[in-house]
Amino acid sequence: DPAMTQTPLSLSATPGQPATISCKSTESLLHSDGKTYLQWFLQRPGQAPQLLIYEVSRRFSGVPDRFSGSGSGTDFILKISRVEAEDVGIYYCMRGINPKTFGRGTKVEL
Amino acid sequence: EVQVVESGGDLVQPGGSLKLSCVGSGFTFRSEWLGWVRQAPGKGLEWVASLSGDGRRIDYVDSLKGRFIISRDNARNSFYLQMNSLRDEDTAIYYCVRDVAFGRFDSWGQGTLVTVSS
Repeated sequence: DPAMTQTPLSLSATPGQPATISCKSTESLLHSDGKTYLQWFLQRPGQAPQLLIYEVSRRFSGVPDRFSGSGSGTDFILKISRVEAEDVGIYYCMRGINPKTFGRGTKVEL
Repeated sequence: EVQVVESGGDLVQPGGSLKLSCVGSGFTFRSEWLGWVRQAPGKGLEWVASLSGDGRRIDYVDSLKGRFIISRDNARNSFYLQMNSLRDEDTAIYYCVRDVAFGRFDSWGQGTLVTVSS
C-alpha cells in the first residue's frame, strides 16, 4: 500500500520564525493529466480539519500567503514563513490519487 | 456558503450496523463528489470512501470494502454511509467532505461520533 511519511511528527515553532514540514510519498503523485495531487490540511485543536494547500502549491481560498507548498513527484514541503499563534495544530499531507492516504500528521506547538 | 452537515452518530454494539447521513448546501449537490473521512480518538485521519455526483463512481479504502457502503440521494441533497459488522476499531469521528477533485476536500462537516462498544 502507498504510504505518506511526514517529518517531523512534532515541531516547536517560534512566533515570527519560519517552520517547515516534509512529506514523502512511496509513489509518485504525478497524474497522467499532468497535475500532482498532494494536499495539505490543518486541524486546529477541537476543530475539523481544513484545506490549506491543494495540488502541491495552490493555496485554498482565504489561506494566508505565509503558507506555501512546494515539491514534485514524491517529495513535498509545507512552509510557514512566519508562524503565528493561530497556526497551532496538526498538519496532514494527503495523496489525492486513490487510495487517498494521509500522513500521520505533524503537531505544531509554540 | 458551502456547507456539509453530518448526523447519525451513536453508540452501537460490535457486530451492529449504523447509517450516517450528510446534508449539503450552498453548492450544486448533484455535480460534486462527496466523501467520508474518519478519525479514531487521538489518532490521525483516514479516508473511507468517495462517491461521484451521479453516484456511478465509487472509491473505497480497501480495508473497508464489503462492510461500508456509500450512497446518495441528490433529490434530498443527502449523502450516506452505511456501516455494517461494526468493530471496536471503527470507533471514530466521521467527517463528511466535499471532494472537488482528487482529494481536494474543501469543505468539512463538524463530524459525527460513532462509538462501537458492548
